Amino acid sequence: SAVISQKPSRDICQRGTSLTIQCQVDSQVTMMFWYRQQPGQSLTLIATANQGSEATYESGFVIDKFPISRPNLTFSTLTVSNMSPEDSSIYLCSVLGVQETQYFGPGTRLLVL
Amino acid sequence: LAKTTQPISMDSYEGQEVNITCSHNNIATNDYITWYQQFPSQGPRFIIQGYKTKVTNEVASLFIPADRKSSTLSLPRVSLSDTAVYYCLVGRPSSGSARQLTFGSGTQLTVLP
Repeated sequence: SAVISQKPSRDICQRGTSLTIQCQVDSQVTMMFWYRQQPGQSLTLIATANQGSEATYESGFVIDKFPISRPNLTFSTLTVSNMSPEDSSIYLCSVLGVQETQYFGPGTRLLVL
Repeated sequence: LAKTTQPISMDSYEGQEVNITCSHNNIATNDYITWYQQFPSQGPRFIIQGYKTKVTNEVASLFIPADRKSSTLSLPRVSLSDTAVYYCLVGRPSSGSARQLTFGSGTQLTVLP
């Protein structure tokens, strides 16, 4: 299994600012994903982070709002831009391990005031 | 359309066996069935995965009938620490398709003393 860390673990931000969330994996992985989980809800896929190319975004999520970088096979960042209170959520990164199994980071809890 | 259907919540008592069923009528031939457990303020954690028939590991069993249109996660002798949300995920995440990475609503299991 992969060990995943995220930074920051939580943050409180002001409206209109941006926050960059880091995801670090202890081994090289091919596929990395970013999810959002709003309070009391299930997980929603934001995008697939592609190494060496632009991320693949899902419906309802755009690059200007959620720019993603993936400079190598162990690291990715997600930026939440021009934040509003509606962006308050938990943001999770995951990686794909063997046999179609995902391993998730601990999440970043974001509160926008 | 959601790919999976699970009960929203279940209650049980310590020491009982708990069975959570997930319906996935549109499962594809190559899809895996994977169950995750999520505690509050943590990322989901892999529990068990199967393709057909029965799979058992140290924490759970997974029963899959021949038509694969449903699956049942069985937790033997639950304890208070098994209180969590349980998600079933059907698909092949390696395909990179959002359809393969869609979490359902999950089942909130509450274990009572």
